[in-house]
Amino acid sequence: AQSVAQPEDQVNVAEGNPLTVKCTYSVSGNPYLFWYVQYPNRGLQFLLKYITGDNLVKGSYGFEAEFNKSQTSFHLKKPSALVSDSALYFCAVRGPYSSASKIIFGSGTRLSIRP
Amino acid sequence: KAGVTQTPRYLIKTRGQQVTLSCSPISGHRSVSWYQQTPGQGLQFLFEYFSETQRNKGNFPGRFSGRQFSNSRSEMNVSTLELGDSALYLCASSLTGTASSYNEQFFGPGTRLTVL
Repeated sequence: AQSVAQPEDQVNVAEGNPLTVKCTYSVSGNPYLFWYVQYPNRGLQFLLKYITGDNLVKGSYGFEAEFNKSQTSFHLKKPSALVSDSALYFCAVRGPYSSASKIIFGSGTRLSIRP
Repeated sequence: KAGVTQTPRYLIKTRGQQVTLSCSPISGHRSVSWYQQTPGQGLQFLFEYFSETQRNKGNFPGRFSGRQFSNSRSEMNVSTLELGDSALYLCASSLTGTASSYNEQFFGPGTRLTVL
């Protein structure tokens, strides 16, 4: 069975500092990995995804994520945090296509950037 | 292109009633998925439809059902509402076809359902 874990409920970072939001996964075969962000009273917005190829994936709003197959991780990073990055972040995983390939979301990490 | 739209945005029902939520995907998207979001359980997958066929289903009781129409619009229905059904129900559409599960999803703003 596939699963995804976000070990931190909340991450607090000062503006201008680098940020990391952690995600680990478990899936049979090669995974498709996604990060989404949710602002208050809004639906989720796609940030970036890993399908294959380069382990470092760049996405929207200056975010990037590093796929590490040996550690089964897909951590979200940004070199310099902005107050406007404060939101709820979800990691998601989907296995290779099959009739049982559902997309599974992590529990979410609330990112708080202080001025 | 217009985004994913969901109606209604807010809904208040009482226990035992039933409710129907509607979702219009982005034009050209044929896959529609539904999720339930609650503070305690996070984002839980309900079901996924592609070309009017349910392709995947989450672990929810039979009171939760859905369908997709030929124009890709989708509805979900919850019968015999319980207090625990209070949640934000999100719909998402994607270009996912029969052999590509790597396309990202585009989410609507959600329907906030409150069961009293």
